[in-house]
Amino acid sequence: QLQLQESGPGLVKPSETLSLTCTVSGVSIISTSYNWGWIRQPPGKGLEWMGSISYSGSTDYNPSLKSRLTISVDTSKNQFSLKLTSVTAADTTVYYCARHYRRFGELYYFDYWGQGALVTVSS
Amino acid sequence: DIQMTQSPSTLSASVGDRVTITCRASQSVSSWLAWYQQKPGKAPELLIHKASSLESGVPSRFSGSGSGTEFSLTISSLQPDDFATYYCQQYKSYSGNTFGQGTKLEIK
Repeated sequence: QLQLQESGPGLVKPSETLSLTCTVSGVSIISTSYNWGWIRQPPGKGLEWMGSISYSGSTDYNPSLKSRLTISVDTSKNQFSLKLTSVTAADTTVYYCARHYRRFGELYYFDYWGQGALVTVSS
Repeated sequence: DIQMTQSPSTLSASVGDRVTITCRASQSVSSWLAWYQQKPGKAPELLIHKASSLESGVPSRFSGSGSGTEFSLTISSLQPDDFATYYCQQYKSYSGNTFGQGTKLEIK
C-alpha cells in the first residue's frame, strides 16, 4: 500500500533554511506517470501547491516560491526533499508531500498524501 | 495566475440533505478540476478528478459537474462522515495548480 511520510525539524529559526524529506513506501518513486509534490497549508487556512519533481529530477515550482525553493529526489532511498530558504513566520504551516499524477507532460491532481508535518518558524 | 473561488465558505446542513458546493475559475480550465475532502488534522483526500470522474473507493453519493469556469460538487444524501472541508483544485495551469479557499460543511 502506498504511503508517504514527511520528516524533518519541527522548529526553524527566522532567516534559516527549512528542510523536509518525504519517504515513499509501497511503490517505486521511479514512474513516468507520477511526479512528487509538496503542498502547504497554514493553520486553519487553504492549500498552496509549492512544487513537484519527477524521478529524473525535473522540477516545476510555484512562481511565488521559486526564488526560495529547491526540491530534489533520491531514487536510491525512494525519497524526495524540500528546502525553503530565508524563512519567516509566514512559512509556519503544515507541509504535505503527495503523489502528483502526470500525463502528457502536464501535472494533474494529487492522489496520495502524507499525513503532514507542522513546521514552526520562530526564534 | 488562475484564481479559484468557492462558495459558500461555510455551509450548514443536516444528515440526509442534498448539498452543492460551487467552484468558479477566473478563466477557463476546461474540465481540469479536482475536488478534495479534508477532515480536521488530516491530509486532503481526492474525491473527483477531471470535473466529474469519481476516484476509486469514493461513495457514489458524491458527484461533480461543470466545465469552463463553473463547477459544482454535490453530495446527494449527507452522511455523518461527510462533515468536513472541501477544496477544488484546477490543474489546467501547472504554474499555479491553484486551490480554492475551501468550503466548510457543518452540521446544522
